[in-house]
Amino acid sequence: GDSVTQMEGPVTLSEEAFLTINCTYTATGYPSLFWYVQYPGEGLQLLLKATKADDKGSNKGFEATYRKETTSFHLEKGSVQVSDSAVYFCALTPGAGSYQLTFGKGTKLSVIP
Amino acid sequence: DGGITQSPKYLFRKEGQNVTLSCEQNLNHDAMYWYRQDPGQGLRLIYYSQIVNDFQKGDIAEGYSVSREKKESFPLTVTSAQKNPTAFYLCASSILGQQPAGELFFGEGSRLTVL
Repeated sequence: GDSVTQMEGPVTLSEEAFLTINCTYTATGYPSLFWYVQYPGEGLQLLLKATKADDKGSNKGFEATYRKETTSFHLEKGSVQVSDSAVYFCALTPGAGSYQLTFGKGTKLSVIP
Repeated sequence: DGGITQSPKYLFRKEGQNVTLSCEQNLNHDAMYWYRQDPGQGLRLIYYSQIVNDFQKGDIAEGYSVSREKKESFPLTVTSAQKNPTAFYLCASSILGQQPAGELFFGEGSRLTVL
């Protein structure tokens, strides 16, 4: 079945550091890929998405590129802030009309001043 | 403002008791979902519903039940048959027919603790 693998956390960075959170997936067909973010004590929010190979999703300074050849969707940000501290989830939906998301286990990011 | 409201935010239960978690949405979304979140395990799908009076089991439905009598409401009952119910429960909704599929809107969650 479909699966998503994220780098294990927690990740601790200093403010203004460069962030990469790795995500790879296994899926048949042409999945759509997502990054969700969960701030402390809250539900999840969609951060960005990409629907086909080579698409780049971006939002709030975060970017991720859909790489079909490496089955990856790594999350990057050039300069993190304390307010970026959260848990980040990579997810996919298999497409073909499916509305079910498969989530990775999440990566906790802590940014220190 | 439109959104998803979950209640209660915190709930304590004694072993052997059933509890019901409420989920209400005013987004006019057709589909609703319940996920369970445990530390280090990500989110796992319990049940989902795409239409009133119809719902399907997800990956971990055992020990849970749901109903969908109204489009806006999708309550989850955690029964005494659920062996390890302490967790964070998240309700979500989505539009059917959107492209791409898979953009979910989440509530703020309900934390259930079994004493």
